[in-house]
Amino acid sequence: EVQLVESGGDLVQPGRSLRLSCTASGFDLGYQAMSWVRQAPGRGLEWVGFVRSKAFGATTEYAASVKGRFTISRHDSESIAYLQMNSLKMEDTAIYYCTTYRVETGWIYFDVWGRGTQVTVSS
Amino acid sequence: QSALTQPRSVSGSPGQSVTISCTGTSRDVGGYNYVSWYQQHPGKAPKLMIYDVIKRPSGVPDRFSGSKSGNTASLTISGLQADDEADYYCCSYAGSFTWVFGGGTKLTVL
Repeated sequence: EVQLVESGGDLVQPGRSLRLSCTASGFDLGYQAMSWVRQAPGRGLEWVGFVRSKAFGATTEYAASVKGRFTISRHDSESIAYLQMNSLKMEDTAIYYCTTYRVETGWIYFDVWGRGTQVTVSS
Repeated sequence: QSALTQPRSVSGSPGQSVTISCTGTSRDVGGYNYVSWYQQHPGKAPKLMIYDVIKRPSGVPDRFSGSKSGNTASLTISGLQADDEADYYCCSYAGSFTWVFGGGTKLTVL
């Protein structure tokens, strides 16, 4: 079964850092591009960032709201992707989902989702 | 990148049809045929319901259909069922490997 599991969410103070993990099973993460999407309490979905597969250099793209503060990386041999979040702000409080696609739908779509991990930024 | 515009809520009775609109710009919805729709039940992860504007992933009932005209995409759900009650989000590819979501629409089945 294709599965993604996020972990690492926590309560942190503004200005601090946190690293989230996304562990894949049931498929070879190394061939997949992946994205992180977040959802603030009672709010809608927001795309956070994207990492290409290793075949495409594992390069990344970010939403303007997190660019320069968040970094996505991947450790394909362990089927894990990371979201490093620095200089956290209260508005970063959200459930963070990692997501990827199925071959059926194509790389542009978010067809496989984890259950999410809660990040709360508060003093 | 501004969020796509969706109505905050829609409602319908069982068996009826409802349509949810999603308005963007020529830089996203109007510029690409890469619009998708996601269903999210409370406390659950989103589920892809429509992609490439009109296509359904395997397992999604044909009661769900998508369309697009200019900068506005639409999701139509026919033969409403109780389990369709959920939040629905549109999403568009916006070029340069970036994406934008809509603000979400709460569907109530009366």
